[in-house]
Amino acid sequence: ELKVEQNPLFLSMQEGKNYTIYCNYSTTSDRLYWYRQDPGKSLESLFVLLSNGAVKQEGRLMASLDTKARLSTLHITAAVHDLSATYFCAVVQGAQKLVFGQGTRLTINP
Amino acid sequence: EPEVTQTPSHQVTQMGQEVILRCVPISNHLYFYWYRQILGQKVEFLVSFYNNEISEKSEIFDDQFSVERPDGSNFTLKIRSTKLEDSAMYFCASRKRQKPASYEQYFGPGTRLTVT
Repeated sequence: ELKVEQNPLFLSMQEGKNYTIYCNYSTTSDRLYWYRQDPGKSLESLFVLLSNGAVKQEGRLMASLDTKARLSTLHITAAVHDLSATYFCAVVQGAQKLVFGQGTRLTINP
Repeated sequence: EPEVTQTPSHQVTQMGQEVILRCVPISNHLYFYWYRQILGQKVEFLVSFYNNEISEKSEIFDDQFSVERPDGSNFTLKIRSTKLEDSAMYFCASRKRQKPASYEQYFGPGTRLTVT
């Protein structure tokens, strides 16, 4: 059964700093997704990574995928308070369902 | 931009009652899903639906749950006899058929179900 694990689960950082969230998964997949969730809100799609070596960037966020290592990273550059949220990675299983990681709750302090 | 919509946004019900959660997927999408998220926990898959039938369901999706697409636009999740542990946020999602497939799913705003 596919397992998706994120770390860290909680991350408190200062504005202006850089940090990386890691997402490991247990079985082969070449499709990985990153979502953002604000408290009480829905899941906002951030990145769709479709192949080994894929790298995507949007503003201060950059995501990458290494299918051989079964690892994706979400890198935050020069963090700002607006990026405070919970970030989930998810992997497709069986071409239908998404299996989510536990989420990383990110708090950015001034 | 088209969005998945869900109603109601919040539903409070008593244990043992039936509830129906409603979703309107994006209009040209063909695959529909329900997920749930217990407060503070990860998002869990419940069921996928394609071509008017269930294509996959999780262990959570037992006989108390059912899904239906009663017309060309709505997609519903019914819980026949709610339990306290059904309290969660329920998300509907949909995706279109793409070639090559990205399997990207678009999520609705969610229905918060509270069972008392």
